Amino acid sequence: GDSVTQMEGPVTLSEEAFLTINCTYTATGYPSLFWYVQYPGEGLQLLLKATKADDKGSNKGFEATYRKETTSFHLEKGSVQVSDSAVYFCALSSTGANSKLTFGKGITLSVRP
Amino acid sequence: GAGVSQSPSNKVTEKGKDVELRCDPISGHTALYWYRQSLGQGLEFLIYFQGNSAPDKSGLPSDRFSAERTGGSVSTLTIQRTQQEDSAVYLCASSKAPGVAGTGELFFGEGSRLTVL
Repeated sequence: GDSVTQMEGPVTLSEEAFLTINCTYTATGYPSLFWYVQYPGEGLQLLLKATKADDKGSNKGFEATYRKETTSFHLEKGSVQVSDSAVYFCALSSTGANSKLTFGKGITLSVRP
Repeated sequence: GAGVSQSPSNKVTEKGKDVELRCDPISGHTALYWYRQSLGQGLEFLIYFQGNSAPDKSGLPSDRFSAERTGGSVSTLTIQRTQQEDSAVYLCASSKAPGVAGTGELFFGEGSRLTVL
């Protein structure tokens, strides 16, 4: 079945540091890939997405590229801020009318001033 | 309402009791999902509704878990004879279109935290 593997956390960085959060997936067919973020005290929200190979999703300074050859969708940001502290989830969706999101375990990011 | 609303936000219960968790999706959203978020386990899919029917119940962990949706809107997740391993945050999400292929945009509530003593 479909699965998503994220790097182990938590991650603590200083403000303005470079961020990479690794994500790999296993799926049949051609899934769409997503990053969701959960800020403290808030519900999960979509951060960015990519729907086909080599697509790059971007939002709020974050980027991720859909790499079919390595089945990866790593999240990157060039300069993190304290306000980026949150839990980040990688996810994929299968195709079809009744598709659902399959999530990774999530990783907590803490950014120090 | 403006977003997905869940209640109660916190529920503490004794082992063996039944609990009901409620989800009020965004108005007009036909698809509704329940997920469970346990410490160290990420988000675990439970059930998906399209309208009032549930074409995918594959994630319900046991027959103690059930869910219904009425009027294409509010959904209730019921856990009977709760066990300690049921302790988790139960998340509800809704989307405008059937399934999430392509859009991926699920709108989540803040969850109901269940603690079974």
